[in-house]
Amino acid sequence: EPEVTQTPSHQVTQMGQEVILRCVPISNHLYFYWYRQILGQKVEFLVSFYNNEISEKSEIFDDQFSVERPDGSNFTLKIRSTKLEDSAMYFCASSAAVQGPEQYFGPGTRLTVT
Amino acid sequence: AQSVTQLDSQVPVFEEAPVELRCNYSSSVSVYLFWYVQYPNQGLQLLLKYLSGSTLVESINGFEAEFNKSQTSFHLRKPSVHISDTAEYFCAVRGASGNTPLVFGKGTRLSVIA
Repeated sequence: EPEVTQTPSHQVTQMGQEVILRCVPISNHLYFYWYRQILGQKVEFLVSFYNNEISEKSEIFDDQFSVERPDGSNFTLKIRSTKLEDSAMYFCASSAAVQGPEQYFGPGTRLTVT
Repeated sequence: AQSVTQLDSQVPVFEEAPVELRCNYSSSVSVYLFWYVQYPNQGLQLLLKYLSGSTLVESINGFEAEFNKSQTSFHLRKPSVHISDTAEYFCAVRGASGNTPLVFGKGTRLSVIA
């Protein structure tokens, strides 16, 4: 069964450093998302991406964040200068179409900023 | 905009007992509803979904949920739980038109006791 994959599973970085989280969505999906879950809190939407551009972003997704689909398979989330409060589990998700189909999530990347 | 309320943060239940995890939502537009399950140290897995049609939806592992529009609820139930059902359960909602992101509840931790 096709699945969303994410690498790395765990990333430790120092405050102020740049990190890139990588995702490989399900191959025939067209819509891509990033969510995050701070420990003990709810899953929060960050950004959605379609046709090589951002469709929607939340207030969390400020200028420190960017997304890219550098090739036909990868979807990345970059945090330019990490802060302590960026420590969270980051989930990538993909869906086949806008209306109806559900979003399938990857296993997540746990980002720890020290 | 949508919101989701999961009133129960933790639900302990004995093995083979029934369980109901409550979910209420608010929205000014038609919605799609989902339950996701997160097993320890794993990602989010889609458990079941309501898109349209029959208001009672079932999963392959015995869970069911009923969409109640008048009560704006989508409670999750299982008549007999197993130890392996121990996990965090998230209710999520999204608008039924456009590329809207998922809005999650805070989650309910189901602990099945032997």
